[in-house]
Amino acid sequence: EPEVTQTPSHQVTQMGQEVILRCVPISNHLYFYWYRQILGQKVEFLVSFYNNEISEKSEIFDDQFSVERPDGSNFTLKIRSTKLEDSAMYFCASSDGQGGFGNEQFFGPGTRLTVL
Amino acid sequence: EDKVVQSPLSLVVHEGDTVTLNCSYEVTNFRSLLWYKQEKKAPTFLFMLTSSGIEKKSGRLSSILDKKELFSILNITATQTGDSAVYLCAVEAVRGGGADGLTFGKGTHLIIQP
Repeated sequence: EPEVTQTPSHQVTQMGQEVILRCVPISNHLYFYWYRQILGQKVEFLVSFYNNEISEKSEIFDDQFSVERPDGSNFTLKIRSTKLEDSAMYFCASSDGQGGFGNEQFFGPGTRLTVL
Repeated sequence: EDKVVQSPLSLVVHEGDTVTLNCSYEVTNFRSLLWYKQEKKAPTFLFMLTSSGIEKKSGRLSSILDKKELFSILNITATQTGDSAVYLCAVEAVRGGGADGLTFGKGTHLIIQP
């Protein structure tokens, strides 16, 4: 069964460093998403991406964040200068965008980002 | 601001019991409500409920959506220890971008004791 994959599973970085989190969405899906979950808190939407551009972004997704689809399969989230409060589990999700009444979003296993 | 509230936040039952998990929401331009099961890491999709599908069932799990009263319930019958997880409710709203992000509740942490 097709699934969303993410690399790395765990990333440790120093405050102020840049990190790139990578995702491979399900191959025939058209909509891509990033979410984060700070330990013990709820899952929060960051950004969605469709047709090679950002479709929607939340207040969390400030200028420190950027997304890119560098080729036909990868979808990346870049954090330019990490802060301690960026420590969280980052989930990538994708949907096929074919649901007229709703889009089932399928999640990857996540990347745990630890900022020291 | 969209809001999703789940209750209870945690629940401990014995194997074989039936549980009902609740989710209420306040959303502008509601499109769908989704239930996920989160064990160790990624939320695993369970159901999506929309105006065209307000009841879903899969094995021991079932869910209904009440669009008038703005809530959904997730029922699990004959619970097993493998049902222990955090159950997440999320709502999709139409905000015009096409790929609309989900608003999640805090989840219900369900523990099934043998």
